[in-house]
Amino acid sequence: DQQVKQNSPSLSVQEGRISILNCDYTNSMFDYFLWYKKYPAEGPTFLISISSIKDKNEDGRFTVFLNKSAKHLSLHIVPSQPGDSAVYFCAAHIRDDKIIFGKGTRLHILP
Amino acid sequence: KAGVTQTPRYLIKTRGQQVTLSCSPISGHRSVSWYQQTPGQGLQFLFEYFSETQRNKGNFPGRFSGRQFSNSRSEMNVSTLELGDSALYLCASSPRPVLAESTDTQYFGPGTRLTVL
Repeated sequence: DQQVKQNSPSLSVQEGRISILNCDYTNSMFDYFLWYKKYPAEGPTFLISISSIKDKNEDGRFTVFLNKSAKHLSLHIVPSQPGDSAVYFCAAHIRDDKIIFGKGTRLHILP
Repeated sequence: KAGVTQTPRYLIKTRGQQVTLSCSPISGHRSVSWYQQTPGQGLQFLFEYFSETQRNKGNFPGRFSGRQFSNSRSEMNVSTLELGDSALYLCASSPRPVLAESTDTQYFGPGTRLTVL
């Protein structure tokens, strides 16, 4: 049972445009959501997070939106830059219980 | 401040053997979590240690175990290796238990690539 799903294995976006990465979840008990970015041969690095009591969090070029009724979150990157090419993981956790990651979406920023 | 370090970076073992991986967290971080990353399953939580105690455990068999030392360094052990254990094993550190303190960020190491033949 995959509780956190990233249905798009890959995404290509033109440099300067908006990148939108999506994530769906099934467990309404998740209380915190995170996005990580991973380059080859490196560990994931934290990007941005959002508590389940909020619907939006913004940090520079990165904005995460949470739609609890749809059990959906998305990461918007505006404007997209070449260094944004990486694999993006969304993760969800239940306090003091577990953290579950999606399988990742590979983002390609095209020149 | 030095980041999370993992040793070794690459490892080749054969089925039935056992393996021990090491993780040194960022100085001052007392929580260490371990993850397994495979192409088919993505990133999966193994367990978290804080102050030498295992706090949470993911859905992995008992062949996967770990421990944490008083200096917060952690080791993960896999016994009776199977082909399916081939994966990238990542550890991450944070100041406080990651599943208890949502506002803390985890910092990941580069991982240990384990190949089981």
